[in-house]
Amino acid sequence: AQTVTQSQPEMSVQEAETVTLSCTYDTSESNYYLFWYKQPPSRQMILVIRQEAYKQQNATENRFSVNFQKAAKSFSLKISDSQLGDTAMYFCAFMKIQGAQKLVFGQGTRLTINP
Amino acid sequence: DAGVTQSPTHLIKTRGQQVTLRCSPKSGHDTVSWYQQALGQGPQFIFQYYEEEERQRGNFPDRFSGHQFPNYSSELNVNALLLGDSALYLCASSLALRGGVTEAFFGQGTRLTVV
Repeated sequence: AQTVTQSQPEMSVQEAETVTLSCTYDTSESNYYLFWYKQPPSRQMILVIRQEAYKQQNATENRFSVNFQKAAKSFSLKISDSQLGDTAMYFCAFMKIQGAQKLVFGQGTRLTINP
Repeated sequence: DAGVTQSPTHLIKTRGQQVTLRCSPKSGHDTVSWYQQALGQGPQFIFQYYEEEERQRGNFPDRFSGHQFPNYSSELNVNALLLGDSALYLCASSLALRGGVTEAFFGQGTRLTVV
């Protein structure tokens, strides 16, 4: 079974700063996807960024980028030039490529961006 | 495109009662997954429906059952409600691809309170 661990329950930074959220996972699969989801107070899960395990290049989406270390089973999210609208719960998630598209989520990190 | 819609948004039930939650997937999606998110926790996979059949199931008792209709919409039924069933129930839709995954889009969830 796969497990996802987020060791930072809460983080807080000032607007415009850079923040990094940590995530580690455990799996015996060689091919899989990793995701970061954002859940604002509206409750809707929004995909921030995804990484295919077979790709060595780290994914980037505007101010969001990841540091994917496959051997260490680590998948951190870096948010640059943080904005007030980035305040939310952030969840790291794992998905096997084969079989049902089931997401395995971590416990989440509550990120607060202060003005 | 309306995205994923869930109904109702909030629900209060009494212990021992039964509840039905509904989900309409994003246009073009054929796969629906249900997740339970307890307060302060990450979502937990309940089950997934594809082609009107349960494709995979998480570690949830038989009190949790579901259905998918020919138009791909889905229902989640919970019988004999317990206080511990109080949670946010999220529906996610995606498109099944051979050998790949598509982005899972989430609804805003149904907040179920059991008293």
